[in-house]
Amino acid sequence: AQSVTQPDIHITVSEGASLELRCNYSYGATPYLFWYVQSPGQGLQLLLKYFSGDTLVQGIKGFEAEFKRSQSSFNLRKPSVHWSDAAEYFCAVGNYNQGGKLIFGQGTELSVKP
Amino acid sequence: GAGVSQSPSNKVTEKGKDVELRCDPISGHTALYWYRQSLGQGLEFLIYFQGNSAPDKSGLPSDRFSAERTGGSVSTLTIQRTQQEDSAVYLCASRYFETQYFGPGTRLLVL
Repeated sequence: AQSVTQPDIHITVSEGASLELRCNYSYGATPYLFWYVQSPGQGLQLLLKYFSGDTLVQGIKGFEAEFKRSQSSFNLRKPSVHWSDAAEYFCAVGNYNQGGKLIFGQGTELSVKP
Repeated sequence: GAGVSQSPSNKVTEKGKDVELRCDPISGHTALYWYRQSLGQGLEFLIYFQGNSAPDKSGLPSDRFSAERTGGSVSTLTIQRTQQEDSAVYLCASRYFETQYFGPGTRLLVL
C-alpha cells in the first residue's frame, strides 16, 4: 500500500539556521510528490512538486526538495529559516492511475526561535 | 486570481443534525477532491470528481457522508446525522494537470 512517513512530528530551529524536513514514501512506481505548508487556521499552500526530470526542485519562499529514488525520500530544505516559516508542513504522494488522490504524511510542525 | 473557496468557514452543529459544506473550485479545473483533517487521523481523502465520470467515493467513512457536484463546478459535501467523531476540518481541492489547489477549509464542530 502507498504511504508517506514524516518521521519528525515537531522541529524547532533558530531563525537564520538551516532546515531539513524528512519525508519517506512507499509507492510502486515513480510518484508525483508534493510539499504543502499550512499556517494556523489556513488551508494548504503548495510549496513545490516533483513529477520527473531534475531531482532537485525549487519552490516558493526559498524552499527546495530533492527526490532520491534509492532512498524513497523527498526531503524539504531551506538554507536560512525566517520566523514566518513557522507552520505545519505536509509531504504528499499522488497516484494519477487512481484519480490523483493525495496520500499525506502526518505532518511536521516547525517552530522558529528568535 | 480567485482560488478555491469554501463555505461556511466554521460550523457548529448538534449531534444528529445534518450539515452541508460547499466548495467552489477554481474556474476551469475539472477535477475536485474532498479531504478531512482531524487530530487523530491526519489528512484523509474522502471523494473525487472528474468531469462527468462517476465519482470515486472510496474514502467516505460511512453512508452518512455523500457529495455531489453540480454542473461540473460547485460541490456540496453532506453529512447526515452528525456524530462527534465527524468534528474535523473539511478541505476541498481542485486540480489543474497534476497539482491540487486547496481551499481554506470548513471547521466542523459537532456538540
